[in-house]
Amino acid sequence: GIQVEQSPPDLILQEGANSTLRCNFSDSVNNLQWFHQNPWGQLINLFYIPSGTKQNGRLSATTVATERYSLLYISSSQTTDSGVYFCAVSQGGSEKLVFGKGTKLTVNP
Amino acid sequence: NAGVTQTPKFRVLKTGQSMTLLCAQDMNHEYMYWYRQDPGMGLRLIHYSVGEGTTAKGEVPDGYNVSRLKKQNFLLGLESAAPSQTSVYFCASNLDIQDRVGTDTQYFGPGTRLTVL
Repeated sequence: GIQVEQSPPDLILQEGANSTLRCNFSDSVNNLQWFHQNPWGQLINLFYIPSGTKQNGRLSATTVATERYSLLYISSSQTTDSGVYFCAVSQGGSEKLVFGKGTKLTVNP
Repeated sequence: NAGVTQTPKFRVLKTGQSMTLLCAQDMNHEYMYWYRQDPGMGLRLIHYSVGEGTTAKGEVPDGYNVSRLKKQNFLLGLESAAPSQTSVYFCASNLDIQDRVGTDTQYFGPGTRLTVL
């Protein structure tokens, strides 16, 4: 099956810093989503981005499908950005989403 | 809208006991999912449903059963709990297949923390 690798596994930042999280996948996909799991465990969908670039406030994401990777950018990080960021991909619909192991982000004040 | 809700939030079972986790969504979503999350790992799909009355196996279905008798509810059952089923269980839903809607965003419930002793 398709493999999803996220890097780095852990990231510690000072408030205000920028960061880039990476998601590599082993085969072509038609569905890619980024999720944020906050320290209380709640999972929130950030982006549905099988290709191209999207922005939402301080967050943006870019997927280069032909090169099999996606990047999540966080600018001017805040303590509320802490948590685990997951990338999930599928070669079909959402019923086949495969999750990476996540990047744990800690933003210190 | 309450979104996706899960009942209960916490549960402790003894090996061999049975229980049912309830997921409810009020967004009229067609697709519903049950995942488990173990420490240091991403989410793994247990079972899913593409509509009322339908269910299908995911990546790790063994030891679990599901039912979708009503569109808004998706139940996950453990017939004979084992310590290996200690995990956090998440339910999710999404509206429709991406081809028709153009987006495939999944919405997650708050999770159920299950411990099997």
